[in-house]
Amino acid sequence: QVQLQESGPGLVKPSETLSLTCSVSGGSISSHYWSWIRQPPGKGLEWIGYIHYSGSLNYNPSLQSRVTLSLDTSKSQISLKLNSVTAADTAMYYCATFSSSSYWALHADWGQGTLVTVSS
Amino acid sequence: QSVLTQPPSVSGAPGQRVTISCTGSNSNIGATYDVHWYQQLPGTAPKLLIYGNNNRPSGVPDRFSGSKSGTSASLAITGLQAEDEADYYCQSYDSNLRGYVVFGGGTKLTVL
Repeated sequence: QVQLQESGPGLVKPSETLSLTCSVSGGSISSHYWSWIRQPPGKGLEWIGYIHYSGSLNYNPSLQSRVTLSLDTSKSQISLKLNSVTAADTAMYYCATFSSSSYWALHADWGQGTLVTVSS
Repeated sequence: QSVLTQPPSVSGAPGQRVTISCTGSNSNIGATYDVHWYQQLPGTAPKLLIYGNNNRPSGVPDRFSGSKSGTSASLAITGLQAEDEADYYCQSYDSNLRGYVVFGGGTKLTVL
């Protein structure tokens, strides 16, 4: 079981770029696919996208034009960038493992999340 | 509007049995993609509860069970306990466009 820890600015101004990092420990970053998932206050979960060290990438169609995921294997970190943010992007952001094997799209391990508020 | 439809809330008394439905379509649950369920206790991150439609991770009580039929899935909780009060989310995968992960809107379980 891997441990995941999200980090980044808790406050982002409208129209700017939200940048978050997920640090992985207890496992190899090359052993899994990695998802980002967000949850606006009081609302449900929304998948943002997944990435694999092989270069495999997939984004939520509703966010695809604004999202970029990347990996830094030397630091065991997964990064999320979301540009042109608005108040609607205010949410708790989670990183999680994404299974590509026996059970497709299974998110077994989650970080504790980091809250990002978009406000001027 | 979530791709997978769940009731916003369900409730039950301690010891009772409750079920939470998750309705999809032929491009997700009906396309034989697995359904997974997550439990989110207040103020915490979601936790995997059921995977692959009807499998429990180690440590999850057998009071929790999942099933899937056609374009729908269900989570059943028997012997309801106060500690089960939480939000529950179903999740699958949709084959439309390039394919993407889909969640239900979540169901708030209240233990009366």
